[in-house]
Amino acid sequence: QSALTQPASVSGSPGQSISISCTGTSSDVGAYNYVSWYQQHPGKVPKLMIYEVSKRPSGVSNRFSGSKSGNTASLTISGLHVEDEADYYCSSYTSSSTWVFGGGTKLTVL
Amino acid sequence: QVQLVESGGGVVQPGRSLRLSCAVSGFTFSNYGMHWVRQAPGKGLEWVAVISLDGTTAYYADSMKGRFTVSRDNSKSTLYLQMNSLSAEDTAVYYCARDRQDTALENWGQGTLVTVSS
Repeated sequence: QSALTQPASVSGSPGQSISISCTGTSSDVGAYNYVSWYQQHPGKVPKLMIYEVSKRPSGVSNRFSGSKSGNTASLTISGLHVEDEADYYCSSYTSSSTWVFGGGTKLTVL
Repeated sequence: QVQLVESGGGVVQPGRSLRLSCAVSGFTFSNYGMHWVRQAPGKGLEWVAVISLDGTTAYYADSMKGRFTVSRDNSKSTLYLQMNSLSAEDTAVYYCARDRQDTALENWGQGTLVTVSS
C-alpha cells in the first residue's frame, strides 16, 4: 500500500491554469476509475472535489476537472482564484479493496 | 444536512488503547459504508479503514492491521474505531467519512485529535 505520488508543490497566478499529477500503479489508479481529489485548506476538513476520475459533486466549481491516463491521474484547475490556494490530495481504490492517498500537493496562488 | 461528529480523542500513553466514535445524522447510516482517515500533525492524509453497510466486512491499511478494529452500530448511527497498542506514530487527527458507493469519501467529520505521549 504505497502512497500515490504527487508533486509536493505547484504554483500559479490568478487566472492561470495548473495541473496536479497523481501517479499510482496498475493495482490502483490504473485498475479502476475510482480516483478522487480532495481540497484541504489549513486547519479545515478535506472536501471532495472530484470523484470517479472526472465527476464533480454538486456545488463544486466547473473550474475543477479531472482526467486519467494509464497509472496517472490529473487534477486541473482553470482560471485560478486566490481561494484555490490549499493542499490537494488524490486517492484511489485498490485491488486489495483498500484505499490509498497521495502525499498531497500544496498549491500556491501567487 | 449530513453531519458526522467524532469523539473520544485525547492524550493516551504508549501501549494503551483508545476507542473513537463517530455519530452521524442527516442520512440513513445503514445505507453507507464508512471510512476512517487520519492526519498526523503537519502531514498528509492516511487512509485507515473502511467498513461495509452492515458491518460484516472491513478492510484496513497494512500499518493498522491487527491493532485497529472498525465497527458500527446501525441502531445508534454510530461508527467506532478501536485502537490498541498505540505508539507515538499514531498521533493524528482522526476523521470519519461517508463512502460514496465505493468511489470516494464524500462527507467528512471535523476530526478528533489523538495524542500518544507519556
